[in-house]
Parts: sequence; C-alpha cells; structure tokens
Amino acid sequence: DAKTTQPPSMDCAEGRAANLPCNHSTISGNEYVYWYRQIHSQGPQYIIHGLKNNETNEMASLIITEDRKSSTLILPHATLRDTAVYYCIVQGAGSYQLTFGKGTKLSVIP
Amino acid sequence: DVKVTQSSRYLVKRTGEKVFLECVQDMDHENMFWYRQDPGLGLRLIYFSYDVKMKEKGDIPEGYSVSREKKERFSLILESASTNQTSMYLCAASGGDRVFEQYFGPGTRLTVT
Repeated sequence: DAKTTQPPSMDCAEGRAANLPCNHSTISGNEYVYWYRQIHSQGPQYIIHGLKNNETNEMASLIITEDRKSSTLILPHATLRDTAVYYCIVQGAGSYQLTFGKGTKLSVIP
Repeated sequence: DVKVTQSSRYLVKRTGEKVFLECVQDMDHENMFWYRQDPGLGLRLIYFSYDVKMKEKGDIPEGYSVSREKKERFSLILESASTNQTSMYLCAASGGDRVFEQYFGPGTRLTVT
C-alpha cells in the first residue's frame, strides 16, 4: 500500500513559489517525511526532511500540518533547473530502504 | 556536499559476462546502497552495506553480489549478466544514523545484449 499520495504533475511559472503537496494520512508517530527530487537522467537528490516541525534549508521549506497527515514542499523561487520529479517519502526506523512512489512531475515554465 | 561517483555512465555488456559496477564516496559515510531503477517499477534496493565487509540483501538481490573492502568503495557484481538486468543502476551513501538522507551518484545505464 502506498504511504503517500501526490498529484502526478504540476506546472509553476519561473520565479514563482512552487508548492508541492503530499498526503500521508496513515503516518505513524515515529515516521519522518522525506523529500527527494530526480532531474531527468540524474540520480535522486535529497532535499529536506522533517518529523513534525516546519523545516527550512537552502533548497526548500517543508511545512507539515499539525495532525501530520499532510505536508507541502515549497521551492520559494522556482527556476528552470527545478524541473524534476519530486518524491515525498514517509520513512521510519527498522528499514534501510527508501521507498519511492510515483512522485509529482514539476514543470517550471519560462 | 557528499560526492558519490560511479565508474561509468553507460555500459554495454554481453549476456553471460561478469560485470563490475564501482561506486566511490568521499565523505566517510558508513552506509552505502545499490538500487536499480526501471520504468514503472521505481527504485528497488539490491544490496546495502552499513560497514566495511558488512552487507545486507535488499528486495532484489538475486543475480547480484557486492563487495565492500574499503569504507569509501562499494562494488556491485553481476556474476553472469542477463538481458533482464538491463537497467539504470544507482549507488547512494548516507552517514551513520542519518540512513535516509541518502546521496546518490549519477547512475550507470547498463545494457545487456
């Protein structure tokens, strides 16, 4: 069973904020939310992760709802180089494997 | 940033050949992983290693073996390549207990003919 649900595709105008949603209604208390992206023909790239507090780094911000059933990845000023498939992954302890779903294909439009 | 390099971007081998895929990371990370990525199937873990000479099977280890003699290097071996092993192979590394903060290499696209 998929642990996360993401829209299959989204468009965003260059320079605007890209807000990528993810539903994870069955997340348990010790599971983290991770975000990765994969630009065409490259390996996946780690972006950010969080447990329940909002997180920000040089690449993005992660907003997790208070009930932890959904989250949003925010790219504050999208560029053409942000065009990629974005994966939201729920992961807890007890496994070494990252389970990638289908993700959201983000297209940044000039 | 962690840098993970893979020995080849593209590789073409014949059925039955022994194939070595090499992965090197430069940040002294304990954990290293080999995945394969196929359209419609996503990434699937083949093997991982959490220390030198230690290895654990992932979801699809059949037909593969691995070697980790040094901390920075993790090799994937296809003992006798078959056409169904044609795929994109991705190596990743992560440090200590930050298991899921994985840094990936650029991938090797292997074609077995």
